[in-house]
Amino acid sequence: GNSVTQMEGPVTLSEEAFLTINCTYTATGYPSLFWYVQYPGEGLQLLLKATKADDKGSNKGFEATYRKETTSFHLEKGSVQVSDSAVYFCALRGSARQLTFGSGTQLTVLP
Amino acid sequence: DAGITQSPRYKITETGRQVTLMCHQTWSHSYMFWYRQDLGHGLRLIYYSAAADITDKGEVPDGYVVSRSKTENFPLTLESATRSQTSVYFCASSEEGKAEAFFGQGTRLTVV
Repeated sequence: GNSVTQMEGPVTLSEEAFLTINCTYTATGYPSLFWYVQYPGEGLQLLLKATKADDKGSNKGFEATYRKETTSFHLEKGSVQVSDSAVYFCALRGSARQLTFGSGTQLTVLP
Repeated sequence: DAGITQSPRYKITETGRQVTLMCHQTWSHSYMFWYRQDLGHGLRLIYYSAAADITDKGEVPDGYVVSRSKTENFPLTLESATRSQTSVYFCASSEEGKAEAFFGQGTRLTVV
């Protein structure tokens, strides 16, 4: 079946530091890939997506590239802010309609 | 209000009681989902629905029942709550032909 493996957290960075959160997946066929973000006390919000190999999703300074050869979809941001503190989830959607999630990575950005 | 709403936001119930969590969406999305979120497990799918009157089991369906008599509503019922069902529950919906899903604010359920 499908699975998503995410970098273990928590991750603590200083403001303006570079962020990478690793995500790799196992799936048959050609899944769509997502990053969702969850702020404290809230639901999940779609951060970015990529639906085919070599696509780059981007939003709010975050980027992730769909790498089929390495089955990866790593999240990056060049300069994090305190307001980026949240839990980040990598997810995929295969031939079935439901999403499969990684375990989440807690990010804390210190001023 | 447009979007997907869950109620209640917080619920405390006793072991053995039946409890229903509500989910309502205003987009007329075909697909709806119930996930539970637990530390170390991310989100796990409980049940999903492709359309009114069509439901199917996800990864962790035991102890839960769903129904979908109308497109916009997808209630989740715990028939006899257990402490292991203490969790945060998220409802989501997805439009036919679109890859992404949209989530509600969640219901924090505590079973004592």
